[in-house]
Amino acid sequence: QKEVEQNSGPLSVPEGAIASLNCTYSDRGSQSFFWYRQYSGKSPELIMSIYSNGDKEDGRFTAQLNKASQYVSLLIRDSQPSDSATYLCAVTMEYGNKLVFGAGTILRVKS
Amino acid sequence: SAVISQKPSRDICQRGTSLTIQCQVDSQVTMMFWYRQQPGQSLTLIATANQGSEATYESGFVIDKFPISRPNLTFSTLTVSNMSPEDSSIYLCSGSGGNSGELFFGEGSRLTVL
Repeated sequence: QKEVEQNSGPLSVPEGAIASLNCTYSDRGSQSFFWYRQYSGKSPELIMSIYSNGDKEDGRFTAQLNKASQYVSLLIRDSQPSDSATYLCAVTMEYGNKLVFGAGTILRVKS
Repeated sequence: SAVISQKPSRDICQRGTSLTIQCQVDSQVTMMFWYRQQPGQSLTLIATANQGSEATYESGFVIDKFPISRPNLTFSTLTVSNMSPEDSSIYLCSGSGGNSGELFFGEGSRLTVL
């Protein structure tokens, strides 16, 4: 079983819609969860972090965490073509202070 | 966020040669890591760069192939030794500070091995 799993996509949404990206993880002791955005040819950029169950909102982005279900998601409201990128879920494993990344979900926002 | 600078940004190398990538971070960073991102793939952790001591390597990565140094808190190097075309990849230096676990990345070094 992979430590961090994401649907590779591509996920296509129309401009202005809500994009929903999902991630599951295997280590029940994980404490820190992150979403990174990576444009083609660029390095990953941190867009959201979440540490406790529930929702965390930052602008058009909302991260949701459910530790009981070992599930973390990212919602992007009012999606824009500039949001088209690969979104990487990353989780800190209990056994160390290291981030493990999922394979990433490709998001395409169509105008 | 932390400022992380890497060089070279890209290079084309011949099979059998070695290349050293340099990474400079600002003082906010306490931990440094090296990742690899192969074409179309996600990030794989190579090792944790430990200040003044040997790096901690992940399964599948060895010091002879990827020697890493971190002589001080803000500088680290990764060498890709005896390169083969399979080493063609983006190598990313990253750093984190404090207890938040947030990780920031350099611009990456894109290596092509012919």
